[in-house]
Amino acid sequence: NAGVMQNPRHLVRRRGQEARLRCSPMKGHSHVYWYRQLPEEGLKFMVYLQKENIIDESGMPKERFSAEFPKEGPSILRIQQVVRGDSAAYFCASSPRVGLRMRGDSPLHFGNGTRLTVT
Amino acid sequence: AQSVTQLDSHVSVSEGTPVLLRCNYSSSYSPSLFWYVQHPNKGLQLLLKYTSAATLVKGINGFEAEFKKSETSFHLTKPSAHMSDAAEYFCVVSSSNFGNEKLTFGTGTRLTIIP
Repeated sequence: NAGVMQNPRHLVRRRGQEARLRCSPMKGHSHVYWYRQLPEEGLKFMVYLQKENIIDESGMPKERFSAEFPKEGPSILRIQQVVRGDSAAYFCASSPRVGLRMRGDSPLHFGNGTRLTVT
Repeated sequence: AQSVTQLDSHVSVSEGTPVLLRCNYSSSYSPSLFWYVQHPNKGLQLLLKYTSAATLVKGINGFEAEFKKSETSFHLTKPSAHMSDAAEYFCVVSSSNFGNEKLTFGTGTRLTIIP
């Protein structure tokens, strides 16, 4: 059973370009979360999605950032017109829907992250 | 509102000596608390979790943590450090056991093991 898959692992963009980060949740998981980790900091919640729905985007910057989780295919975190301050590690996590999570299991299963560098 | 404070940004211990990573939490609700470990350029792995059952929680790789409500603490310990324990450790709080698992992370403690 493959874990949460994120690609690319590393992404380099020049200022002003667009960055697209992809996340495929674990098989059977219908909930996806995106977190951002700035250098020397902990992870900060960005957005929580279910298939075709954004449930909580309270951590998303108001401009340039968007996320989707279509009916088919991976979840996408999109950053338009990137700036140097967007350089960070972006982690995706997934969980099964309520009622399917096993007691003792991690609430979220994390991917290995995408490290975005803006030059 | 909920938050966690990791009291040390860096901890160095010699191999074979005890490890103590400190964490204090603040939560309006009965919290669920977790410790995650992050090895360089890797994702996060759950070490252990507390969800209002036993206050002393045993995790993987010999780690354990004790929930102390009176002190609002959830410190992580290990009796004897191993070189492979060198990593970043995050204390995490969630006020929800089900539904929206919006976790709040501490700023992390970098553990260095001295040979």
